[in-house]
Amino acid sequence: QVQLRESGPGLVRPSETLSLTCTVSGYSISSGYYWGWIRQPPGKGLEWIGSMFHSGTAYYNPSLKSRVTISLDSSRNQFSLRLTALTAADTAFYYCAGPYGDYARFSWGQGTLLTVSS
Amino acid sequence: EIVLTQSPATLSLSPGERATLSCRASQNINTYLAWHQQKPGQAPRLLLFDASNRATGVPARFSGSGSGTEFTLTITSLEPEDFAVYYCQQRNSWPITFGQGTRLEIK
Repeated sequence: QVQLRESGPGLVRPSETLSLTCTVSGYSISSGYYWGWIRQPPGKGLEWIGSMFHSGTAYYNPSLKSRVTISLDSSRNQFSLRLTALTAADTAFYYCAGPYGDYARFSWGQGTLLTVSS
Repeated sequence: EIVLTQSPATLSLSPGERATLSCRASQNINTYLAWHQQKPGQAPRLLLFDASNRATGVPARFSGSGSGTEFTLTITSLEPEDFAVYYCQQRNSWPITFGQGTRLEIK
């Protein structure tokens, strides 16, 4: 069974940078397909942040593209999200998910709440 | 960017009834549509992929249909655990986009 688990700080100050890591178990992220980050402000809908293929090619939401970087660490079977210049509008639950394309094994992480506040 | 519009925003039904949820795409997405279910306080869960394929462990009462721009999620004979929010999501082209969700509530 594929399991994904997000980890990172729960609270970050405005203007700072967020770093989140998704640890994947039960599936090698180098096997193929792609992985993604999605966020959800409390009480609102889902917003795709970006995705990265095992090859290293990444796609980002145009609304966030200037502030987002996704990277893969195959040796640790992890992929990470970096989001800069945080504001209160970035307060949300952040989820990792995948593998997109191998839907028999697709899974969501349990999510982690990020609060941006001074 | 492909916009997905879900209807209705809220659907009020009783257990045992049939639910029909719609998702309309602003342009052709072939069958690259997924449905996700989210219960309060939980992460979303993949229900259907490529419009009509059930994900692992999803009960047969969930089915999906459609292609192009019109898609439907049908739940036959609602169970108490089916009352949740449902999101459609397309992967036909970047950026990946989600619909705004349909809340299925107990009448």
